Amino acid sequence: NAGVTQTPKFQVLKTGQSMTLQCAQDMNHEYMSWYRQDPGMGLRLIHYSVGAGITDQGEVPNGYNVSRSTTEDFPLRLLSAAPSQTSVYFCASSPRSASGANVLTFGAGSRLTVL
Amino acid sequence: SQQGEEDPQALSIQEGENATMNCSYKTSINNLQWYRQNSGRGLVHLILIRSNEREKHSGRLRVTLDTSKKSSSLLITASRAADTASYFCATDAGSGNTGKLIFGQGTTLQVKP
Repeated sequence: NAGVTQTPKFQVLKTGQSMTLQCAQDMNHEYMSWYRQDPGMGLRLIHYSVGAGITDQGEVPNGYNVSRSTTEDFPLRLLSAAPSQTSVYFCASSPRSASGANVLTFGAGSRLTVL
Repeated sequence: SQQGEEDPQALSIQEGENATMNCSYKTSINNLQWYRQNSGRGLVHLILIRSNEREKHSGRLRVTLDTSKKSSSLLITASRAADTASYFCATDAGSGNTGKLIFGQGTTLQVKP
């Protein structure tokens, strides 16, 4: 199994440009989420989804859009990139758990630099 | 604001020593997890402890949970150079079955050979 696949691994943007970070999982997990990781800040939740067609905001959603048209894919769109969005982005997925204990599987990350 | 705070932020020990990392959180939880991140990689799940458990073991890992103090600790015994990584606690912040976790800021562990 490939697990969670993120593309691209690295990207440089100019301020104001838009782009989409791709995330795909092949484990048939219902839940997917996007985090950003900044030095000294740990991981902060951007958006998450509990199933196809259902998304919700996390802690830092401004400047980002998501959609979940299929179980497998959960792309993250930057509408108009800003230097403050320079970060490492992680996509994660987890299966629905009868016990409510959601263990996340992470992708390898996408490093984004906005100039 | 983030749910968890970890202490210490950085830890440097010799191979063979034990490493202890602490995590405090703010709201009620259903469970708490610990993840590991090697440099430049994604996070990998290590262990989960439920709110009704006080201690859990997995190999050289021992996790404790004190819900009255809203705190947890991760102990790595007989550390190895390969344990060098960042370690994060994560809670569901009582959000239930949503796949949504709130992470602490992490502890960076360096194990010197």
